[in-house]
Parts: sequence; C-alpha cells; structure tokens
Amino acid sequence: DAKTTQPTSMDCAEGRAANLPCNHSTISGNEYVYWYRQIHSQGPQYIIHGLKNNETNEMASLIITEDRKSSTLILPHATLRDTAVYYCIVRVAGGKLIFGQGTELSVKP
Amino acid sequence: ETGVTQTPRHLVMGMTNKKSLKCEQHLGHNAMYWYKQSAKKPLELMFVYSLEERVENNSVPSRFSPECPNSSHLFLHLHTLQPEDSALYLCASSQGTVEQTQYFGPGTRLLVL
Repeated sequence: DAKTTQPTSMDCAEGRAANLPCNHSTISGNEYVYWYRQIHSQGPQYIIHGLKNNETNEMASLIITEDRKSSTLILPHATLRDTAVYYCIVRVAGGKLIFGQGTELSVKP
Repeated sequence: ETGVTQTPRHLVMGMTNKKSLKCEQHLGHNAMYWYKQSAKKPLELMFVYSLEERVENNSVPSRFSPECPNSSHLFLHLHTLQPEDSALYLCASSQGTVEQTQYFGPGTRLLVL
C-alpha cells in the first residue's frame, strides 16, 4: 500500500500557483519523497524529489516540513498543460515506487 | 520525450494470440521495469531487471513473460491473455534500482478481446 495521503482532486486557475499537499506521517528517516505526474493515458513524468531540504527545479518546488510528515508540491504558474494526476510517493527501502491514487489537478482558464 | 520508447502504442489481441511489447531506453541506464495500469487503478509493478537479470517478479501470471536481452531493451511476451489483462503497460528505466529516479515510456494500450 502507498504510504501517502493526497486529496482526490483540486482545481487551480490558470496562471496561479498550484499547491498540492501530501501527508506521509510514517515516513522513515532515509526515505525520499518523489513526485510524478501523469497526463491522461500517458506515462508518468518525473517532477522532483527530496529528502529533508526544500528543492526547486525548472518544473516545480518541493516544500518538506521539518518533521517530514508532510510535503507540498508547488507549480508556480499553472498552465492548462499542467492538468494531470499528481502522485506523491515515498520511496521505500529497495527503491520501489508504490503509486497511490494521486491528486487529479484541473487547471481552468 | 523521456528517452524511453515503447512499441506498439496500441494493441488489440484475441485471447489465443501471441504478441510482444517492446521497450527501448536511450539513457544509458542499467535497470528496467514493467508496470501495469488498469482502468481507475494505481500503477502496479510487474517485473524489475537489473543488469539484465530479473530481480523482481511481483506474482505475475505466467502468461506474461519478460525478456531483457541487453540493458537497453526490454520485452514483454504475451500469450493466452484474458480480457481483464486489458490495461496500459508502462516501461521505465533507471540508473540502478536503489534510490534512483525512474523514467517512464509512453505506454502500450492493450485491449484483449
């Protein structure tokens, strides 16, 4: 079973920041938080990952709380192309990616 | 483009047919994976290959037979499938299997009639 909890769906206005929350209260100290997204019927796309510190790349920012029990993925200026299912995944020992149901983000004009 | 390609993109087959799915990665990775995604369900890991050796088989029925002839290519051979095997089959690759980011191909949409 996935070790994360995400809202089933979210809406965001085009051009605004999309903040996607994820709870992972049972995360272990050596487990990373990964984010992927899947646009309808395509393969999942890697977005970002982190361990303790906040991370930023060209796609998004990842904010991890100090106790590491939750995190937030931030898309700074959402576009219609960001409409997708977003998966928050805790990387368990041995490196398996266990996907949950994710958050269905709808970016609206 | 992620550097992982899959062919065919769509496949329709009867229950008595034999077909193969192909995956190729152009990233220089040494680990490859097969996942299955059924409608409205999360991705399920099927097989893991590391350095061309199968290191994981997640209780997948024998009608699915993987093959990894080299580190760049991965096949999934299909025979006597059932309608419930209709799904999106995804290939991924990574540099190593532990704590390494996986990159996915676009998937093969399979329909079994």
